[in-house]
Amino acid sequence: DGGITQSPKYLFRKEGQNVTLSCEQNLNHDAMYWYRQDPGQGLRLIYYSQIVNDFQKGDIAEGYSVSREKKESFPLTVTSAQKNPTAFYLCASIPGTNNYGYTFGSGTRLTVV
Amino acid sequence: AQSVAQPEDQVNVAEGNPLTVKCTYSVSGNPYLFWYVQYPNRGLQFLLKYITGDNLVKGSYGFEAEFNKSQTSFHLKKPSALVSDSALYFCAVRDPPGRRALTFGSGTRLQVQP
Repeated sequence: DGGITQSPKYLFRKEGQNVTLSCEQNLNHDAMYWYRQDPGQGLRLIYYSQIVNDFQKGDIAEGYSVSREKKESFPLTVTSAQKNPTAFYLCASIPGTNNYGYTFGSGTRLTVV
Repeated sequence: AQSVAQPEDQVNVAEGNPLTVKCTYSVSGNPYLFWYVQYPNRGLQFLLKYITGDNLVKGSYGFEAEFNKSQTSFHLKKPSALVSDSALYFCAVRDPPGRRALTFGSGTRLQVQP
């Protein structure tokens, strides 16, 4: 079945550590996105990529980094510069056409310990 | 900037009764509007979208939404609620051309009581 796979489902980070969240899709979608979800704040856009080897900052990119070396993969690194990283992280993708029906992964819950 | 507002943090409704989850929008130009649903610890699932055409949009699981340009609203509705409809609902609007992303509202938790 086609879809988006996010791993791990749960992730614990120590203070000062960088961690990387995986997002893989087999939908042949061009554009991929990372959102952060906090209670009562909805989803906020971190980074997005419309084609391979290209990505743009979203609204809350500080303390995060991404890469897009392959069409299928869009990993997100949460760096030690992100002061409040505890949140639910969602990856999404859409086809290359003008279609905004996002397909979402099932998310990664990151907790700082 | 494009934005959507969901004025209710939570909506409670009895099973079998009609439900409405409210959303208002603020955009420049023609709005592209969406509703998504999220079950606990899961990603979001697409319910329906309004691009152009009929003001009443039908979507998945018996949901529909009414686009009202004069009131800048896009409320989600269902004639008869089910307990299984209990979830978190998000309204979203397309960003301006060039960014090609969605901006989401803060979400409304729907609780359907048996």
